Amino acid sequence: DAGITQSPRHKVTETGTPVTLRCHQTENHRYMYWYRQDPGHGLRLIHYSYGVKDTDKGEVSDGYSVSRSKTEDFLLTLESATSSQTSVYFCAIGNGDTEAFFGQGTRLTVV
Amino acid sequence: GESVGLHLPTLSVQEGDNSIINCAYSNSASDYFIWYKQESGKGPQFIIDIRSNMDKRQGQRVTVLLNKTVKHLSLQIAATQPGDSAVYFCADSGGSNYKLTFGKGTLLTVNP
Repeated sequence: DAGITQSPRHKVTETGTPVTLRCHQTENHRYMYWYRQDPGHGLRLIHYSYGVKDTDKGEVSDGYSVSRSKTEDFLLTLESATSSQTSVYFCAIGNGDTEAFFGQGTRLTVV
Repeated sequence: GESVGLHLPTLSVQEGDNSIINCAYSNSASDYFIWYKQESGKGPQFIIDIRSNMDKRQGQRVTVLLNKTVKHLSLQIAATQPGDSAVYFCADSGGSNYKLTFGKGTLLTVNP
């Protein structure tokens, strides 16, 4: 899986609680991405990073924040989880001019 | 907003037949396209890509065709096998070259 590890792989959390998902890479790729995947919507970009401490919003960024304090790690935080954020979250990495490589995904359920 | 879409949500073929999965894109600035395969419970896996200066690219049993005139992309799988059963996504760079926009996917089912 191109040296990408997502953690946790599964999580169940209660509405209103904060949640942080972690993406770790060993490939030294500059770009890192967080996508969510929902039935009928495909993969939608939440946030991405183009370097340490450099991040930008994607098309569905409301309710999410990210941080990248070092090249290897990209964190996605749900400040106050809602049921609409129940989804499968994928991290991806890339060099910016070729394909992106995806992790195995994190299944998040907000109850 | 502009997006990448698919003509058919499902495709069922017989083992050994050729499969064709289609994709339409709307962003005229797009210059890089990728096909991904996603098996159940796994992340998307790169299959093949093509840049806008090409109209055809071949891999092992797969061919991607790009028609920029009508903004259409297709993935051809030769001699489809049961292991090819998966959801296939096309993705589009939108001209950014580092941020991909995905279509909603086509479910390919291969019947033995």
